[in-house]
Amino acid sequence: DAGVIQSPRHEVTEMGQEVTLRCKPISGHDYLFWYRQTMMRGLELLIYFNNNVPIDDSGMPEDRFSAKMPNASFSTLKIQPSEPRDSAVYFCASSRYRDIYNEQFFGPGTRLTVL
Amino acid sequence: QQQVKQSPQSLIVQKGGISIINCAYENTAFDYFPWYQQFPGKGPALLIAIRPDVSEKKEGRFTISFNKSAKQFSLHIMDSQPGDSATYFCAAITGTASKLTFGTGTRLQVTL
Repeated sequence: DAGVIQSPRHEVTEMGQEVTLRCKPISGHDYLFWYRQTMMRGLELLIYFNNNVPIDDSGMPEDRFSAKMPNASFSTLKIQPSEPRDSAVYFCASSRYRDIYNEQFFGPGTRLTVL
Repeated sequence: QQQVKQSPQSLIVQKGGISIINCAYENTAFDYFPWYQQFPGKGPALLIAIRPDVSEKKEGRFTISFNKSAKQFSLHIMDSQPGDSATYFCAAITGTASKLTFGTGTRLQVTL
């Protein structure tokens, strides 16, 4: 299995631009999570989906952030407009079922730099 | 509101020594406590986990000690190796939700 795939791995953009991060979860996984990692705030859950439906988006910082999961094999996290404080590493993770003992498998992350 | 507090922020241990990372939680509804290991440039990966009805779990050189009454748990790495150098995150999850609450992380460096 290829694991969770994220693209791009690195993104550098200017303030005000739209940024789209992409994720392909592990096949057969029902849950997909988007996290943000910064030195100041650590790992924060932004949003998670179950069977392509957003379940909890309480971690999304503001309306500039949006996430979609049009099908079981693809999700996007969009930031519009981007700001320098959005600079972070964004991780996508997936897991099977609603069992809390199921491991979350993380992708390699996208390092976003907003100038 | 940080529900899982982790310490220390960084740790330097000599090869062969014992690394100890501590976590404390507030929410008594947490049902499961995993530890994740993250190498530079990689995503976190599950290392070891424990349920609250168990006081200790050991997997190789890694041991979790759990104190339910004190709401604390810790990771012990015995015979620490340079290859263990990574950032370690404790986490907690409730049975009614699917989302993990992570600690702030501990950067471990094992020196020769």
